[in-house]
Amino acid sequence: SQQGEEDPQALSIQEGENATMNCSYKTSINNLQWYRQNSGRGLVHLILIRSNEREKHSGRLRVTLDTSKKSSSLLITASRAADTASYFCATGFQGGSEKLVFGKGTKLTVNP
Amino acid sequence: EAGVTQSPTHLIKTRGQQATLRCSPISGHTSVYWYQQALGLGLQFLLWYDEGEERNRGNFPPRFSGRQFPNYSSELNVNALELEDSALYLCASSSYPRGNYGYTFGSGTRLTVV
Repeated sequence: SQQGEEDPQALSIQEGENATMNCSYKTSINNLQWYRQNSGRGLVHLILIRSNEREKHSGRLRVTLDTSKKSSSLLITASRAADTASYFCATGFQGGSEKLVFGKGTKLTVNP
Repeated sequence: EAGVTQSPTHLIKTRGQQATLRCSPISGHTSVYWYQQALGLGLQFLLWYDEGEERNRGNFPPRFSGRQFPNYSSELNVNALELEDSALYLCASSSYPRGNYGYTFGSGTRLTVV
């Protein structure tokens, strides 16, 4: 079963605009990660935020984590056509399962 | 540094046949993870291998199996193929097991069962 649920399922914006994607999860986590997938290819790791962190930046990416609401958001600023892809959140658990559990993803389209 | 490599890129099999998918992790990575990405279902965890041992298994039938070799490369076998096994199979590797660090993914094997 899926742990993370991304919202929205699809997002279409114009180049230069900001894109915000959300992820909700159900159980306690050790960390939350975001990945990008281009056209059914392999996933690329974007950023990891640990459960004791609230915000993290990497280039044009900003990730927030609210463990009390069990949610995270990924903000891509000044989007480019090349950002068109599917974005997935993945959760790493505290102890036990020792694997990442992925959501179904948000399909982002950036129109030139 | 070479990334995670998967072979073949595409595979077409007939229902009832067996499929073998291969994965070579990044040099130095001991953990290999297999995921299935079927249309509309997101990524489903299949198997995790570390140091040659199967460490964890997803909710898949026993006809999905695999192994990890001494050089840490891995093989996924799917027996008695069914039409719903058609999917993109992704392999990932990590030097740190337990999902505490990011995974590096291969480009996947597209399996089509006809």
